[in-house]
Amino acid sequence: KNQVEQSPQSLIILEGKNCTLQCNYTVSPFSNLRWYKQDTGRGPVSLTIMTFSENTKSNGRYTATLDADTKQSSLHITASQLSDSASYICVVVRSNDYKLSFGAGTTVTVRA
Amino acid sequence: DVKVTQSSRYLVKRTGEKVFLECVQDMDHENMFWYRQDPGLGLRLIYFSYDVKMKEKGDIPEGYSVSREKKERFSLILESASTNQTSMYLCASSTQDRVKNIQYFGAGTRLSVL
Repeated sequence: KNQVEQSPQSLIILEGKNCTLQCNYTVSPFSNLRWYKQDTGRGPVSLTIMTFSENTKSNGRYTATLDADTKQSSLHITASQLSDSASYICVVVRSNDYKLSFGAGTTVTVRA
Repeated sequence: DVKVTQSSRYLVKRTGEKVFLECVQDMDHENMFWYRQDPGLGLRLIYFSYDVKMKEKGDIPEGYSVSREKKERFSLILESASTNQTSMYLCASSTQDRVKNIQYFGAGTRLSVL
């Protein structure tokens, strides 16, 4: 069973609308959590990275939250643009060996 | 800007062929990684290297080997390609900061084994 579960698997939103992606994890002990954006045909690109003590981090229109107690994170996209169409991957890092565990990703499609 | 370059975007090979996937990074990073990405699954680590001539097995090393003769170059080798190795292969590099070592990825090589 994957230790990082993302939901939904995919979603379609209209340009200008907001959306929220979820990431639940069981990885332990926890070091940090990352969100990556992967455009079609490209490699993933880092959006945010959060350690235990950080519960919110923003990167432009992207805002990530972390609740380390419930082992949940979310990525909120504000005022979506066509260029936000991509797969968003949640990655959790273990603190004892720094192993990365990847979620399967959420595919976001923004329509005009 | 960090650049990680993978030599091929698309490859088509036949079963049993030996396949080389090349990856070069230009930021003097110590760590380099090879992943495969399949639909519905997260990225899975095949091998990684934290120094020249050093290599460590990842989660799915069977059927693969690697070579790191120079710091900037990390090669993935499929000794005898099989159809179940059809996949997207991603190379990444990072510094040795254990906590916030952001990985920089190449564009990927989509390999089809027929």
